[in-house]
Amino acid sequence: QKEVEQNSGPLSVPEGAIASLNCTYSDRGSQSFFWYRQYSGKSPELIMSIYSNGDKEDGRFTAQLNKASQYVSLLIRDSQPSDSATYLCAVNMYGQNFVFGPGTRLSVLP
Amino acid sequence: EPEVTQTPSHQVTQMGQEVILRCVPISNHLYFYWYRQILGQKVEFLVSFYNNEISEKSEIFDDQFSVERPDGSNFTLKIRSTKLEDSAMYFCASSGDPTGKGGYTFGSGTRLTVV
Repeated sequence: QKEVEQNSGPLSVPEGAIASLNCTYSDRGSQSFFWYRQYSGKSPELIMSIYSNGDKEDGRFTAQLNKASQYVSLLIRDSQPSDSATYLCAVNMYGQNFVFGPGTRLSVLP
Repeated sequence: EPEVTQTPSHQVTQMGQEVILRCVPISNHLYFYWYRQILGQKVEFLVSFYNNEISEKSEIFDDQFSVERPDGSNFTLKIRSTKLEDSAMYFCASSGDPTGKGGYTFGSGTRLTVV
C-alpha cells in the first residue's frame, strides 16, 4: 500500500513565527514531491514542488527533501493569518498520478 | 493565469441517478485527471486520461465511472447509478507534463451530493 503520512494537526503558530509541516512517504522510488494549500471548501493550490534532496526556497516557503529518510517538509517563514489553511503533501509514486497525505491544518494566530 | 473550469459547482442528485461532471482543462494541456475528496478525508486519485484514452485508474474507478473527451475542450466524468457514498468534491486537474513533475492545476471542484 502506497502511503503518505502527515502530522494531523491542527498546528497553531503565532503571526510572524515559522510553521513547520512534515510528511513521510512509503515508496522509496518516489521522484516528485509537492505541497498544496487547501482553504476550506476550495480546491488544492500548488505551492511548491521538489525533486532533489536538499532545500528549495520560494519566497517565504522552503521545501526540504530527504529521500534516504523518505521525508519531505515545508517551512513557512513569517507566517501570516492568510496562511491558515490545510497543507497537503502529494507524492508522485508511480505513473502520472499523485498520492495525497491527509493534510495538516495550520492556524496562524494574529 | 490559465484556469481549469468545472461545472456545475454543486450538484444534488437522487440515489440511482446518473450525473455528468464537466471540466474544461487548460487549453495547451494534454493530460487530464479526476480526483475526489470525501468531506474530511484525503484527496484520492480516480483516473488519468491522455490521447483519448485512460492512462491509469484507481480501484475506486470501477464500472460505475467513465470519462470522455467529447470535443476539443471538455473533459467529463460520468457516474452511473449514484450511491450515497459517491457524495464528495470532485476535482478535475490538467497538466502539460507527462511525468506529472510540474504538478497539476486543479479546477475549483464540483460538490456532488447524493440524497
